[in-house]
Amino acid sequence: AQSVTQPDIHITVSEGASLELRCNYSYGATPYLFWYVQSPGQGLQLLLKYFSGDTLVQGIKGFEAEFKRSQSSFNLRKPSVHWSDAAEYFCAVGAQQAGTALIFGKGTTLSVSS
Amino acid sequence: EADIYQTPRYLVIGTGKKITLECSQTMGHDKMYWYQQDPGMELHLIHYSYGVNSTEKGDLSSESTVSRIRTEHFPLTLESARPSHTSQYLCASSGTSGGPEAFFGQGTRLTVV
Repeated sequence: AQSVTQPDIHITVSEGASLELRCNYSYGATPYLFWYVQSPGQGLQLLLKYFSGDTLVQGIKGFEAEFKRSQSSFNLRKPSVHWSDAAEYFCAVGAQQAGTALIFGKGTTLSVSS
Repeated sequence: EADIYQTPRYLVIGTGKKITLECSQTMGHDKMYWYQQDPGMELHLIHYSYGVNSTEKGDLSSESTVSRIRTEHFPLTLESARPSHTSQYLCASSGTSGGPEAFFGQGTRLTVV
């Protein structure tokens, strides 16, 4: 079955500390992988995406993610977290065919402490 | 500026009322989607459309209905709202190129009292 697992429901990180959010997927075809961020009361904003090529992808707001096929993982990282990064983060997987609906994980809530 | 819009942003309505949540996109995308999101839960696909006059039900059963008469417009209707319909509804679209990347609206927070 196709699925996305985000093992951490809630993470608290000190401002300025590094961050890693975990994502594991189960997908039959070659996956397209995404990370989205959602601030309270808002829609989802795309942080970054992986289609093919270099397995380390850079996104907006200083985020990056690394695709590891052998581990079926696509973990999100940021070297230094800012208070404004506090939000809900969703990992998603989709098929190569354009337009197929994405499958989302349950999300990880990030809190940033001062 | 190309974007995707949802109205209203917030709606509180009484049980039994008929409601329509609006979604419009200016990106010329063929594919459009409705997701339902409850707190602490993943997004569940409830409806999707691959083009005009094409609509399909998603993975999560929903009492809502959708229509796609114009490419840019994908409204969702609840004929008789119930408290169990209280949720956030997110509309998204994707194009024919660039893979399945989806662009989301701001969402509609629906509360049925």
